[in-house]
Formats: sequence, structure tokens, C-alpha cells
Amino acid sequence: AQKVTQAQTEISVVEKEDVTLDCVYETRDTTYYLFWYKQPPSGELVFLIRRNSFDEQNEISGRYSWNFQKSTSSFNFTITASQVVDSAVYFCALSPRSGDSNYQLIWGAGTKLIIKP
Amino acid sequence: DTGVSQDPRHKITKRGQNVTFRCDPISEHNRLYWYRQTLGQGPEFLTYFQNEAQLEKSRLLSDRFSAERPKGSFSTLEIQRTEQGDSAMYLCASSSPRLAAGEQYFGPGTRLTVT
Repeated sequence: AQKVTQAQTEISVVEKEDVTLDCVYETRDTTYYLFWYKQPPSGELVFLIRRNSFDEQNEISGRYSWNFQKSTSSFNFTITASQVVDSAVYFCALSPRSGDSNYQLIWGAGTKLIIKP
Repeated sequence: DTGVSQDPRHKITKRGQNVTFRCDPISEHNRLYWYRQTLGQGPEFLTYFQNEAQLEKSRLLSDRFSAERPKGSFSTLEIQRTEQGDSAMYLCASSSPRLAAGEQYFGPGTRLTVT
């Protein structure tokens, strides 16, 4: 079965705190892709990052960092020094296919992140 | 690059009526996806086009739903005999082989309310 679990429904922190959003996935495929998308209150999904299952290097982009651990099937997302503008719903997604043009995404239920000033 | 656009942004309809939504993908993108998102949930895949060919349909897409992409550019999603359970946000996304595999650009969505 292909599945993405985001156990945290909602997280609320005060501005400047660090926050980690958890993502656990299930797939039988050996090649797959993992994603994080942001959905601000305006509603439009914004692509943040894509990770190939063969690349377990962690990635940092400004205040954002991602920790991919294949051994625990997790792909966690950390925001350092959070800001009010980070408030949004964050989705983790899995694309289980490769060698096929249909990269449909399987999504978690999302984590609503609230950053209080 | 004007991004993915969807029309209308909001649609309120009575149960039993037919509705049609339109998606205009990014012009050079040949891949187009439809998803449905209900409140508090992640999007669910509905269907996928490569150029004008509909290559995959989810089992979520009942006989009342039909999607087309006649010239490989814009796409339409029609729901016939709408039911209250069809109330959701319908999202369109597009992609290109030149992008990283799986990277998709989303439109703002069409919010459907069936009364």
C-alpha cells in the first residue's frame, strides 16, 4: 500500500521558535519521490522540495531543512526561527512511480502550522 | 509564464445539476492532473493527461465525472447530477518532462458547493 501519514494535525508555536513537521510514508517501490508542499490561506499549493529515494542527503534552504531517513521511512521538515508568514498547511506527498510519466502524488492529510507573533 | 489558471474559482450549484470546470495549464506543460481536496484533507488524485490522452483515472472518478483535454492544452472536468458529497476543492496541476520528476504546479482551485 502507498500511504503518507502526517500525525500532527495542528502545531502552534511562537514566532522565532524552531518547529519540525513529521512525515512517515509507506511504499513497496524501490524508487520513489517525496515532496513537501505549502498551502497558505490563499489556497494555492506551492512546491517546496522534492527528494529522490536514492538520495538521503539532508537539504537546507535558508530557514528550511529536510531530514530524509529511509530506515524509518520518514521525511521530516524543520523551519528554523519561524515567522508569521510561515503559517500555512504543509503537506507531505509521495510519488511512487518512476519510468512512467504519471507522477501522481499521494498526499498526507497535512499539518496546519500556526505561528503566533 | 502566467501559471496554472482555473475557472471558475467558486461554484455553487443545486444537487442534480451538472457543472463544468476549466483548467489552463502552463503553456509548455504537456502533463495535466486533476485532484480533489476536501476540508482538512490532502488532495486526492482523480485523473492524468499526457497531451490529449487521458492515461489514468482514479477509482474515485465515478461515471458521473468526465474529463477531457481535447487539444492537449486546456482541460475540462464535468460532474453530472451533482451530489452533496461532491462538494470539495477541485485542483488542477501541470507538469513537464523538463521538470524534476513529480514536480507539479498547481492552480488556485475551483471550490464547489452542492446545496
